Amino acid sequence: DAGITQSPRHKVTETGTPVTLRCHQTENHRYMYWYRQDPGHGLRLIHYSYGVKDTDKGEVSDGYSVSRSKTEDFLLTLESATSSQTSVYFCAISGPQGAGNTIYFGEGSWLTVV
Amino acid sequence: GENVEQHPSTLSVQEGDSAVIKCTYSDSASNYFPWYKQELGKRPQLIIDIRSNVGEKKDQRIAVTLNKTAKHFSLHITETQPEDSAVYFCAAYTGTASKLTFGTGTRLQVTL
Repeated sequence: DAGITQSPRHKVTETGTPVTLRCHQTENHRYMYWYRQDPGHGLRLIHYSYGVKDTDKGEVSDGYSVSRSKTEDFLLTLESATSSQTSVYFCAISGPQGAGNTIYFGEGSWLTVV
Repeated sequence: GENVEQHPSTLSVQEGDSAVIKCTYSDSASNYFPWYKQELGKRPQLIIDIRSNVGEKKDQRIAVTLNKTAKHFSLHITETQPEDSAVYFCAAYTGTASKLTFGTGTRLQVTL
């Protein structure tokens, strides 16, 4: 398995609180992604990064922000968590040649907003 | 942007039978089509992929076909086994947007 670590793996938080999920990779890959997975919707892209400090929005970016200050770390922040953000969040990385290569997923972070 | 539709949403087959899952995509610029298998509570894992310059690819019991003209691609699993039971996702990658768009998944159940 690709060297991808997500933390925390499970979190319960209250509505209105900020939450940060961390993705750490040891592969030195350029591209990193955050997806959320919900029943009936498959995997939907939230944000992605194509380099340090280079990020772009995905299809469901509202309510989320990201940062990438180092190649190995990609942070996803929910500024003020809502119940609709209860989901499983997957970080992913793309191969060394850049985008268009095999995308590998982390183990996921289960977030519950109550 | 890219839109990927996947059918069926659920599929039940008997052990030993074949299973076929179909996907269509909208962006003619998409050029890479992976398939992922996800077991309950686990991460999606790549099982096979195909690029736009290839029409078919096979790996043991699984194969993928691509029809660029019709913008559809399919996953074929032969001689299904209980361990094939999982959710399968197709996806399409568009290089110009650097994004992988997923279908909504197919829950495959292989019964004895």
